[in-house]
Amino acid sequence: AQTVTQSQPEMSVQEAETVTLSCTYDTSESNYYLFWYKQPPSRQMILVIRQEAYKQQNATENRFSVNFQKAAKSFSLKISDSQLGDTAMYFCAFILSSGAGSYQLTFGKGTKLSVIP
Amino acid sequence: GAGVSQSPSNKVTEKGKDVELRCDPISGHTALYWYRQSLGQGLEFLIYFQGNSAPDKSGLPSDRFSAERTGGSVSTLTIQRTQQEDSAVYLCASSLGGISYNEQFFGPGTRLTVL
Repeated sequence: AQTVTQSQPEMSVQEAETVTLSCTYDTSESNYYLFWYKQPPSRQMILVIRQEAYKQQNATENRFSVNFQKAAKSFSLKISDSQLGDTAMYFCAFILSSGAGSYQLTFGKGTKLSVIP
Repeated sequence: GAGVSQSPSNKVTEKGKDVELRCDPISGHTALYWYRQSLGQGLEFLIYFQGNSAPDKSGLPSDRFSAERTGGSVSTLTIQRTQQEDSAVYLCASSLGGISYNEQFFGPGTRLTVL
C-alpha cells in the first residue's frame, strides 16, 4: 500500500509571508498523480493544486506552487503572500492506477495551517 | 450550479442500528467517491463509482459497509449494525471524468455519531 506522510501536524505563518508544507510519499511506481486539497474551517474541501508525476515542471496556481522532487518522493506546497483565507487544513493526496479499474487513493493526515494577522 | 450535496448533515444512531447516507453528485459527473474522515486522521478512501459500477470495493472497512449508485447519479452508503468506531464524518465527492487527474468536488459531509 502506498503511504503519504505530512510531517507537520500544525503550522502558523504571518499574513503576507511565505510558508511551505511538506509531503512525502512512498511508491515504487513511476506514473501517478499528486494533489493538495484544503479544508477551511466548517467548509468543504477544495482542490488547491495538482501534478502529474511524469511532468517535471512544477505546477503553479497563482500564490500556490509545488516543489515536486520525484526521486526524493517529495511534493511540498508553497504558499506565497499568505492571506487570512488560507487558514485551513491542508491534505496531500496520491492517486495510482493499480490496473483493471482499481486505484489506490491515499490522503495524508493533514497539516493545520493558521495565518496570523 | 449546484455542488455536491449530502444528507443528512448529521446523524445520531444507536449501536447496532443500520444507517443510510446519501450523496447527490454534480450533474453530469460520472465518477463518485466516498471517504471517511475520523478525528485526527486524514481521509480514508472507501469506494468509488465510475457510472453505476464500483470496480474495487476493497477499501470498504468491513462487510457491514455497502454502497450503490443508481442512474449514474445518486449514491447511498449503507452501514449495517453500526459500531461506535463507525463514528466519523463521511464525505462524498464527484468528478467530471474518471479517477486519476480529475478534480474532485466534495460535499459538506455527513457527521455520524454512534452511541
